[in-house]
Amino acid sequence: NAGVTQTPKFRILKIGQSMTLQCTQDMNHNYMYWYRQDPGMGLKLIYYSVGAGITDKGEVPNGYNVSRSTTEDFPLRLELAAPSQTSVYFCASSLRDGQFFGPGTRLTVL
Amino acid sequence: RKEVEQDPGPFNVPEGATVAFNCTYSNSASQSFFWYRQDCRKEPKLLMSVYSSGNEDGRFTAQLNRASQYISLLIRDSKLSDSATYLCAVTLLITGGGNKLTFGTGTQLKVEL
Repeated sequence: NAGVTQTPKFRILKIGQSMTLQCTQDMNHNYMYWYRQDPGMGLKLIYYSVGAGITDKGEVPNGYNVSRSTTEDFPLRLELAAPSQTSVYFCASSLRDGQFFGPGTRLTVL
Repeated sequence: RKEVEQDPGPFNVPEGATVAFNCTYSNSASQSFFWYRQDCRKEPKLLMSVYSSGNEDGRFTAQLNRASQYISLLIRDSKLSDSATYLCAVTLLITGGGNKLTFGTGTQLKVEL
């Protein structure tokens, strides 16, 4: 199993551009999550999904959107990139407890 | 008050030392508890779950104290390869049966020769 995979690994965006961060898991986990991690600030939950077709907001959802059309995929969309969205983004999945993380996407908005 | 609090460190210890980290949480309804390890510029990796009865995995021992709302991680015989940031995490059940993990900001450990 590849586990949780994320693409791209790095990206630089200009203010106002949009992009989609991809996340795929091959463990047949129902639950998937998106976090952002800023230096010294810990991980913050952006959005989560309890199954295909079901998504909900986490602590810091503003400026982001998600969809969950399949069990495997949980893309994160940034519509109008802002410098405050410069961060490392981690996708995670779980069967129940104990989440497993992807390698992350480092995003810089200039 | 933060939901999950940890001493950021760094803890600088010599190889072979025993080191302990504590983590406190504010929500008494928290249900599950974990320690994660995060290497520099890498993703968090699950180290171990934490149970009230205490659990041990090799040189690592984790303990939960529900009454005082803290969890601990003890590392014996520290190795250079143990150098990393250790994140504690607690979960609350969320709608639909998943769980919301809340992380501490992490404690940095540096093991030195």
